Amino acid sequence: EAGVAQSPRYKIIEKRQSVAFWCNPISGHATLYWYQQILGQGPKLLIQFQNNGVVDDSQLPKDRFSAERLKGVDSTLKIQPAKLEDSAVYLCASSLEASGRELFFGEGSRLTVL
Amino acid sequence: AQSVTQLGSHVSVSEGALVLLRCNYSSSVPPYLFWYVQYPNQGLQLLLKYTSAATLVKGINGFEAEYKKSETSFHLTKPSAHMSDAAEYFCAVSEARAGGTSYGKLTFGQGTILTVHP
Repeated sequence: EAGVAQSPRYKIIEKRQSVAFWCNPISGHATLYWYQQILGQGPKLLIQFQNNGVVDDSQLPKDRFSAERLKGVDSTLKIQPAKLEDSAVYLCASSLEASGRELFFGEGSRLTVL
Repeated sequence: AQSVTQLGSHVSVSEGALVLLRCNYSSSVPPYLFWYVQYPNQGLQLLLKYTSAATLVKGINGFEAEYKKSETSFHLTKPSAHMSDAAEYFCAVSEARAGGTSYGKLTFGQGTILTVHP
């Protein structure tokens, strides 16, 4: 079974530029999550989708971050404009059911903002 | 609101020694509890989970954890450390809801880096 796919793995941008990350969850997984992991910290939930609807985006900085999951499958997370403090690994995860008892994580997209 | 505290950002053990990684949580409702492992430049992999069944949970690679409600703890142990256990370990909590489902939102601790010496 293929795992959660993310791209790009690494991205370096200047501050105030924009960046987009893509995630393809495990086939059949209805729930998709984006987490932000800053160096030395645990992952923090940014947004949770159930199919193509948003369940929780309370910690998403909506002035600069946006995410979509148009067809209930893959998802895109965008940052515009980027700030230095956005340097982090962006992890995508998916789960089979809304209960989310087991989340499967991708390898992450590492963003460096200079 | 829920939170997780992992005691010790770095733990160092000798190969063959006991591994003990500490986790305390705070939750306003019965929790589901998880331990994840992260190897360098990789995503998180589930080690084990507690979802209101047996309080002693066995996971992969010889790890186990015990849920202690009175102490609000979920410490991770392994009797004998391997060099391959060197990684970062995260404890996480999600809130159990009526009907046996959870919200799905995981709150993570800050992580503990385990170093294993030969």
